[in-house]
Amino acid sequence: DGGITQSPKYLFRKEGQNVTLSCEQNLNHDAMYWYRQDPGQGLRLIYYSQIVNDFQKGDIAEGYSVSREKKESFPLTVTSAQKNPTAFYLCASSIGGALAKNIQYFGAGTRLSVL
Amino acid sequence: KQEVTQIPAALSVPEGENLVLNCSFTDSAIYNLQWFRQDPGKGLTSLLLIQSSQREQTSGRLNASLDKSSGRSTLYIAASQPGDSATYLCAVSNTGFQKLVFGTGTRLLVSP
Repeated sequence: DGGITQSPKYLFRKEGQNVTLSCEQNLNHDAMYWYRQDPGQGLRLIYYSQIVNDFQKGDIAEGYSVSREKKESFPLTVTSAQKNPTAFYLCASSIGGALAKNIQYFGAGTRLSVL
Repeated sequence: KQEVTQIPAALSVPEGENLVLNCSFTDSAIYNLQWFRQDPGKGLTSLLLIQSSQREQTSGRLNASLDKSSGRSTLYIAASQPGDSATYLCAVSNTGFQKLVFGTGTRLLVSP
């Protein structure tokens, strides 16, 4: 099955701890994205990557870090500097490039809570 | 800065009704607009994408229109069914590299 796999589904973070959320895609997409969703708010872009070994900050990058060493993988680390990490995290991918018909496909999400 | 607003925030209708969800955006220089569906606790599913040069897109019982000059899009759902119950999100991109700006969504409940 082609798609985007996020793991784990649920994650708990202790104070001062860094945690890493996994995102893997087998759609052969160049572009990948991380969003955060809070109750009653729309999705907000954390980081995005248009190609391997390249990524850019989104609107709310503070307290987060990413890497893009492989085309199919785009892990997100929530660092201890992120003081309010409790949220639903969604990973997405798209073909990439400056295309008008550039649909984003989403994973099932990871729900992060603070202990 | 692009801002996207969706009205209403919640909508409850009986099965079989035709309904309209609204999306407005402040910067009309968009590249495209997408409508997504989100079931509780799940990821997003793309429903329709309208390119800036298009005025509407259709998929089954869904029809989305785009009026760039007025900064508006509507999602029309015909003959609603209980399975349509979900949150519907609108998102716009001002560049071809798909940095999407999302609205807060409309939570739809279709009762049998």
